[in-house]
Amino acid sequence: GNSVTQMEGPVTLSEEAFLTINCTYTATGYPSLFWYVQYPGEGLQLLLKATKADDKGSNKGFEATYRKETTSFHLEKGSVQVSDSAVYFCALADSWGKLQFGAGTQVVVTP
Amino acid sequence: GAVVSQHPSRVICKSGTSVKIECRSLDFQATTMFWYRQFPKQSLMLMATSNEGSKATYEQGVEKDKFLINHASLTLSTLTVTSAHPEDSSFYICSVRGENSPLHFGNGTRLTVT
Repeated sequence: GNSVTQMEGPVTLSEEAFLTINCTYTATGYPSLFWYVQYPGEGLQLLLKATKADDKGSNKGFEATYRKETTSFHLEKGSVQVSDSAVYFCALADSWGKLQFGAGTQVVVTP
Repeated sequence: GAVVSQHPSRVICKSGTSVKIECRSLDFQATTMFWYRQFPKQSLMLMATSNEGSKATYEQGVEKDKFLINHASLTLSTLTVTSAHPEDSSFYICSVRGENSPLHFGNGTRLTVT
């Protein structure tokens, strides 16, 4: 079956540091890939997505590229802010639209 | 503002009792609602998919008689955990999709069964 593996947290870094959260997947067919974010006290929100190989999703300074050859969708941001502190979930959607989530990675950005 | 309201955000109940969790779409008609749960340090796992006016479709391994889902209207779905036990303690979250709208998530419900 489909699965998503992402790096364990928490990831703690200073403001303006570079952030990478690794995400790899196993899937049959051609899934769409997503990053969701959950800020403290709020619901899950879609951060970015990519629907086919080599697509790059981007939003709020975050980027992730759909790499079919390495089955990866790593999330990156060049300069994080305290407001980026949240839990980040990598997910894939199969052809039926069902989402499969990774375990989530907590990111803590300190001033 | 929020487009999905999930209530309650936290609930503590005694073993053997039932708990109802509500998920409401605020700005659109929800044709499909999904219920997920997340155990500590594990993934969000899809429990069931419900379409308005029809029976929910449960994922393998999820007991439909224990986790009752009702999607009686286009704006409300409820998940009832019947005869809850400590192993049902988890984070439950709903997501909602409208006919022409993307997926939106509720804030989740932290259930603790003592």
